[in-house]
Amino acid sequence: DTGVSQDPRHKITKRGQNVTFRCDPISEHNRLYWYRQTLGQGPEFLTYFQNEAQLEKSRLLSDRFSAERPKGSFSTLEIQRTEQGDSAMYLCASSSPTAGPGYGYTFGSGTRLTVV
Amino acid sequence: GESVGLHLPTLSVQEGDNSIINCAYSNSASDYFIWYKQESGKGPQFIIDIRSNMDKRQGQRVTVLLNKTVKHLSLQIAATQPGDSAVYFCAENRGGTALIFGKGTTLSVSS
Repeated sequence: DTGVSQDPRHKITKRGQNVTFRCDPISEHNRLYWYRQTLGQGPEFLTYFQNEAQLEKSRLLSDRFSAERPKGSFSTLEIQRTEQGDSAMYLCASSSPTAGPGYGYTFGSGTRLTVV
Repeated sequence: GESVGLHLPTLSVQEGDNSIINCAYSNSASDYFIWYKQESGKGPQFIIDIRSNMDKRQGQRVTVLLNKTVKHLSLQIAATQPGDSAVYFCAENRGGTALIFGKGTTLSVSS
């Protein structure tokens, strides 16, 4: 499978717990993006990596959120002290070096987070 | 703030009909527009895109029309099939790294 892979597909956690999601982009893609999608809404941009550098962060990415891409390959998104409002689908996307930032996205299937 | 919006939250068509899904945008600086299809439990799937220097672009069974005068974007699906049932989003790039998505139109195709 050469698509964008996300793990886990579903996560149920208690309020206050920490969670971490993983994204494996398409292997030759150096650009990686995280989005959040709540029920009935379109995805909203969270953050962008080019290789291992995090170049852009949305105001939606509060202090409880941190994203990393240590070797420029896979990325992790951690949410600390989860709140019920964090319940959403977290989507990862990647694009190739030949596409400019913001172009040529391929999305993964997402991680569905439910905070109870 | 400014955002990409869609005219109708739901659209119901019969199999074999042509479907038209509309989208309005407000930012004149947007230079790139994309249509995505999202099935339940899956991520958005690219359908077709268009740059602001074009008015029309065709793919397999799909056509995107861009009217910059009225800031309107539409997706036409020919001979709609049950497998086309999904939520359709338009998205715009305003020259940065982020795509700005609208709320989506749910297309239901009955046979």
